Amino acid sequence: NAGVTQTPKFRVLKTGQSMTLLCAQDMNHEYMYWYRQDPGMGLRLIHYSVGEGTTAKGEVPDGYNVSRLKKQNFLLGLESAAPSQTSVYFCASSYSHRDRGLRIYGYTFGSGTRLTVV
Amino acid sequence: DAKTTQPTSMDCAEGRAANLPCNHSTISGNEYVYWYRQIHSQGPQYIIHGLKNNETNEMASLIITEDRKSSTLILPHATLRDTAVYYCIVRAVNFGNEKLTFGTGTRLTIIP
Repeated sequence: NAGVTQTPKFRVLKTGQSMTLLCAQDMNHEYMYWYRQDPGMGLRLIHYSVGEGTTAKGEVPDGYNVSRLKKQNFLLGLESAAPSQTSVYFCASSYSHRDRGLRIYGYTFGSGTRLTVV
Repeated sequence: DAKTTQPTSMDCAEGRAANLPCNHSTISGNEYVYWYRQIHSQGPQYIIHGLKNNETNEMASLIITEDRKSSTLILPHATLRDTAVYYCIVRAVNFGNEKLTFGTGTRLTIIP
C-alpha cells in the first residue's frame, strides 16, 4: 500500500516549457487535490477533484490545468511554465466517513514535487 | 471555514510537553478542529482532530475550550523528530466542503 505517490520528485523547466505532474493513490479515495507551497508560506490549493471525471478550481488555479480520467490518478499540467510557478507541489487524497453523526475527512499527502522554472 | 490564529514560532525542550495554542473565535457548531504537521518540506501529516470534547491518540492530545473558541495541541514528551511546522485548521463537515485551507502554522523547534 503506497498511499499517495507523486512523479517526478524534482524537475527543472525553462520558461515556456510544458509538463505534467502525476499523482497516483491506491487507497480508493474519492477526493484528490493539488497544492503548492512557496517558501515560508502554507499550502495553497490549486485545483481539486471530488470524483472521477470532475475537477474544480481552488485558490490559485491560474496557469494550471488538471484532469481526473481515472479515480486513482490526478494530473496537474503546466502549459507554459513561468518562473512564478517555481514551487513545491503537493498532491493529496481524502475519504470521508461518519463520526458521531457528522461527516469528517481523512487526508493523505504525497511527498512533493520540487519544480524550478528558469 | 473559520479563520485560525497561531503563534509564528515556539521552542520546547526535549522531553518536555509541547503545548501549541490555536485561536478560532469564529468557529461554528459544525466545524471540526484539525491539526497537521509538516516536517522539513515533506507532505503534511495528520495528527488529530476534534469537535468539542478533548481527544487523545498515540501522537498527541487535543484540548478544546468549552466555548470552542480556542484549542491546544499537546505533544506529551517532545522529541527532536517533533520539530516541524504545525497547522491548526478549522473546517466544516458538510458535503461540498472537502478542501483543507492552510495558514502559515507554528514552527516548533525542539531544543536538545
